[in-house]
Amino acid sequence: AQSVSQHNHHVILSEAASLELGCNYSYGGTVNLFWYVQYPGQHLQLLLKYFSGDPLVKGIKGFEAEFIKSKFSFNLRKPSVQWSDTAEYFCASPMDTGRRALTFGSGTRLQVQP
Amino acid sequence: NAGVTQTPKFRILKIGQSMTLQCTQDMNHNYMYWYRQDPGMGLKLIYYSVGAGITDKGEVPNGYNVSRSTTEDFPLRLELAAPSQTSVYFCASSYSGAGNTGELFFGEGSRLTVL
Repeated sequence: AQSVSQHNHHVILSEAASLELGCNYSYGGTVNLFWYVQYPGQHLQLLLKYFSGDPLVKGIKGFEAEFIKSKFSFNLRKPSVQWSDTAEYFCASPMDTGRRALTFGSGTRLQVQP
Repeated sequence: NAGVTQTPKFRILKIGQSMTLQCTQDMNHNYMYWYRQDPGMGLKLIYYSVGAGITDKGEVPNGYNVSRSTTEDFPLRLELAAPSQTSVYFCASSYSGAGNTGELFFGEGSRLTVL
């Protein structure tokens, strides 16, 4: 089974600060990786995804993530956060080689202070 | 579009009671999923279905049952509720395997408390 891990459980930033949230994956074969976001009171939505090609992928709302194969990492970044980025962020990968379902990391709660 | 609809949104159960969480989607998606979300634990897959009549266990299936008689509906049943099942439950769907596309469409969640 594949898995992803997130080591930052709670991050507090001031507006305009830069953001980097860590995600590490376990699988060494073909890798698909995703970031989801859950805004307060809302359901999860896809932020960005990586399948192959350019290791730097861009998503919605100015977020980007970089796939680094040698580090088994897929960290989420944003140059300048806003108060509206306050949310919980989840890294995800296919659960197994069948790719029928996703497995999620434990999540990182981001709090942006105005 | 309604998307994925879950009911009820909130429920309190006593230990040993049973209940069914309803989930329906109107996007004609083949794949449907049930996840539970616990603080600091992320989302754990309970069961999933790749089409009507086909279901499979996820990471944490114990204490739950599912059925998929139609493309639209994927109810989750708790037979003997236990405090460990206190959680927020999310139903989700995707057109094809979520591991291929990464695109899961989630419902708004059902908060279940077992006392």
